[in-house]
Amino acid sequence: DAGVTQSPTHLIKTRGQQVTLRCSPKSGHDTVSWYQQALGQGPQFIFQYYEEEERQRGNFPDRFSGHQFPNYSSELNVNALLLGDSALYLCASRAGTGVRRYEQYFGPGTRLTVT
Amino acid sequence: AQSVTQPDIHITVSEGASLELRCNYSYGATPYLFWYVQSPGQGLQLLLKYFSGDTLVQGIKGFEAEFKRSQSSFNLRKPSVHWSDAAEYFCAVATSSNTGKLIFGQGTTLQVKP
Repeated sequence: DAGVTQSPTHLIKTRGQQVTLRCSPKSGHDTVSWYQQALGQGPQFIFQYYEEEERQRGNFPDRFSGHQFPNYSSELNVNALLLGDSALYLCASRAGTGVRRYEQYFGPGTRLTVT
Repeated sequence: AQSVTQPDIHITVSEGASLELRCNYSYGATPYLFWYVQSPGQGLQLLLKYFSGDTLVQGIKGFEAEFKRSQSSFNLRKPSVHWSDAAEYFCAVATSSNTGKLIFGQGTTLQVKP
């Protein structure tokens, strides 16, 4: 049973550029969330996708956008990169029903460095 | 607003010693509580979870946690620490009004002395 997978593993970008990160959820999961983890901090919720729509959003600017595909995979896009966007970006997936919908499983993350 | 506090930024214990990592949350109703572990450069692995019922929950790798409503706490414990337990530990909360997101504490870094 494949867990949550993310690509790429590492990425280096320059200020002002745009980046796309990808996530495939755990088998049987239909909801994907994205988190940003700055160095030495706990993860911060960016947004969640279900049925190809953004359902919840954290306190992140519009430069952060996403997409979910019919196969439940998801992309996170960040435009006009700032140095402060350097972080580990984590994707998490969950099932949609019952108490299990509170239980999220995380991928290994994409380490983004903005120079 | 919901919040999670992990008072200890860094803890060092000797291998074989017992461990307790503290977590306090702020939420009016019963929260759903989680402990995750993160090894360097890795994602988060779910150690254990509390939804309801028995306030003492067992997890993987010999960890357990106890939910104490009166103290708004969900402390993580292990009777005997192994060198491989060295990692960063995060407490997190989810709520029925907000199923989409987990709110995390700042994390506690565990160092294990030989």
